[in-house]
Amino acid sequence: GAGVSQSPRYKVAKRGQDVALRCDPISGHVSLFWYQQALGQGPEFLTYFQNEAQLDKSGLPSDRFFAERPEGSVSTLKIQRTQQEDSAVYLCASSRSTGTTSGGFYEQYFGPGTRLTVT
Amino acid sequence: AQSVTQPDIHITVSEGASLELRCNYSYGATPYLFWYVQSPGQGLQLLLKYFSGDTLVQGIKGFEAEFKRSQSSFNLRKPSVHWSDAAEYFCAVEGTNAGKSTFGDGTTLTVKP
Repeated sequence: GAGVSQSPRYKVAKRGQDVALRCDPISGHVSLFWYQQALGQGPEFLTYFQNEAQLDKSGLPSDRFFAERPEGSVSTLKIQRTQQEDSAVYLCASSRSTGTTSGGFYEQYFGPGTRLTVT
Repeated sequence: AQSVTQPDIHITVSEGASLELRCNYSYGATPYLFWYVQSPGQGLQLLLKYFSGDTLVQGIKGFEAEFKRSQSSFNLRKPSVHWSDAAEYFCAVEGTNAGKSTFGDGTTLTVKP
């Protein structure tokens, strides 16, 4: 079946431009996550949705970053006034749900990422 | 706060040799632990996970990992490496903040013929 897809796969933006990155999760997946992966580092959590509700946005690095999932399916990560330090791969992941402290876990399925280069 | 350390940035092994990738975590309670593999230009693929119970977990592609609470470790092992295993490997921990995974910086595996 179809996995998580992201578009565009590559984006070059001039400093100061706004960009929008799209994530199409696996159909029926309730939870959606955004991560930022800088070169040579592991992914870092940005934000998390359960359906259309953004439950955690503690990882967003500044107020230039904004994410939405208005209908509980497709999500868009928007970066305003891009800076060179925003250059990274942005990964999206989805899962059927999320684990809780009482147990249960649903695997996160990752998309291929969008490589953003800010010049 | 939870954290993950992967002490080895780069490891090179010969094809057919055994492999062990190290992972140390910091978390106050019993964490959920994961190993992912990432090939160039690809997303992350889950190799295996640990929640509770048997501390030796089996994963895909012949990988296994052992959770050692006393050492705060979750090392990944494979008895015989194949050239196709060359990739980057990430260890991750998820705590009570469900869904928010913290990743290590990864270990790049090179396989010599």
